[in-house]
Amino acid sequence: EVQLVESGGVVVQPGGSLRLSCAASGFSFDDYTMHWVRQAPGKGLEWVSVISTDAGTTYYPDSVEGRFTISRDKSRNSLYLVMNSLRSEDTALYYCVRQNELGTSWYFDLWGQGTLVTVSS
Amino acid sequence: DIQMTQSPSSLSASVGDRVTITCRASQTISSYLNWYQQKPGKAPKLLIYAASTLQSGVPPRFSGTRSGTDFTLTISSLQPEDFATYYCQQSYSSPFIFGPGTKVDLK
Repeated sequence: EVQLVESGGVVVQPGGSLRLSCAASGFSFDDYTMHWVRQAPGKGLEWVSVISTDAGTTYYPDSVEGRFTISRDKSRNSLYLVMNSLRSEDTALYYCVRQNELGTSWYFDLWGQGTLVTVSS
Repeated sequence: DIQMTQSPSSLSASVGDRVTITCRASQTISSYLNWYQQKPGKAPKLLIYAASTLQSGVPPRFSGTRSGTDFTLTISSLQPEDFATYYCQQSYSSPFIFGPGTKVDLK
């Protein structure tokens, strides 16, 4: 079955750190650019990070730049997000998302079920 | 950064209604615009990519158009399973911003 399964979400104190994982299965993980997207409770979707197929290119929005690091392990078919200096506003459901492409267009075509990160003292 | 706006933020409609949602980019994004549907407690689902291309398996009552930096998602005849929140997203340049969403509920 083609799927993404996230894990690692917990309750963490402000200023703390956390690593999220995403296990990919049913498709050739190495062939796809991957992203993290988050959704705060009752709020909209926020793009968090992207990593290229060879892990040579990553991007982040200003809201997490310098605090979050995306990485991937081809031997484990896994995507990771290391989050440091966590703030209350980082509280959200974090989705692992696959990017698919047609020509120069790309889009999110496969989403995990999400893992919940709560930043609270 | 490119900003994305959506209107309306919410709407109430009846089964069978024609529904139109608009998304506007703050600068040109060509046709690099995607639409997603999200139901409560579920991950988003891709409906349309590249402004007007219907994702495989999505009913043809959904359609998308582009006019400059304005994009429209139309549901030609609203069905009970279409009550959800709809998001646009630009894939032109980082950061890959989503619109704030449009919630479609039952009138």
